[in-house]
Amino acid sequence: GQSLEQPSEVTAVEGAIVQINCTYQTSGFYGLSWYQQHDGGAPTFLSYNALDGLEETGRFSSFLSRSDSYGYLLLQELQMKDSASYFCAVRDRRTYKYIFGTGTRLKVLA
Amino acid sequence: GAVVSQHPSWVICKSGTSVKIECRSLDFQATTMFWYRQFPKQSLMLMATSNEGSKATYEQGVEKDKFLINHASLTLSTLTVTSAHPEDSSFYICSARGSHYRVWNQPQHFGDGTRLSIL
Repeated sequence: GQSLEQPSEVTAVEGAIVQINCTYQTSGFYGLSWYQQHDGGAPTFLSYNALDGLEETGRFSSFLSRSDSYGYLLLQELQMKDSASYFCAVRDRRTYKYIFGTGTRLKVLA
Repeated sequence: GAVVSQHPSWVICKSGTSVKIECRSLDFQATTMFWYRQFPKQSLMLMATSNEGSKATYEQGVEKDKFLINHASLTLSTLTVTSAHPEDSSFYICSARGSHYRVWNQPQHFGDGTRLSIL
C-alpha cells in the first residue's frame, strides 16, 4: 500500500524559509503534488513534480527524488497568511487512487 | 479550467436526517469523481470513486448503504448521507477528473467542501 509521512507541525517566523518533508513508501506513483488548506477551507493546489528535481512557483518550490523516496515543499519569505496545513499527495500507478500525506500544520509567528 | 463546485457548503441537521451533497464540474466533463472525508486535524481520506453511468467503488470500511453515491451525468455526482448521526459530522470534499485528461500524471482539483454537522 501507500503511505506518505509528514511532520505533524512546523513553526517559523515571518520572512523565514521553511521546508516541509514528505517521505513515502509506495510501489509506484505518477507524481508528487502539494496542497495548502486553511482552517475551514478546501485544499488548494500549490505545486506538482512529475519528474525528479525542483519546481519553482513564486515563493513556493517543490522537490522530488524518487530514488530517495522523498520530496519536500519549500516556502520562502514566509507570511502570516501561509499559516495553514500542507499535504503532499500522489496518484497510485496501480489503483489510480489519489492518496494524501498525513499533513503538516505550519504556524507562522510575527 | 478544471473548476469543481460543491453544494451546500454547510449543513446543520438533526440526527436521523438524510443529507445530499452535490458536486459539479463546471467547465469540463467529469468521467470520474472522488469523494473524501476529513475529520478535524486529520488528512483527507478517500471514501469512494464514482464513474459516470456505473456503480461507485467504495474504500474499505466505508458503508455503501450509508453513503449513497450517484454519478448519473458527466457534470454531476451526488453523495447522500442516509440517516445521519453525530459521528457522521465531518468535512466532505469532492474532486473530479475529466475525459480531457489524457494521462494520469495530472494533479487533482477539489470542490470547496461541505461541512456537515449532525446534532
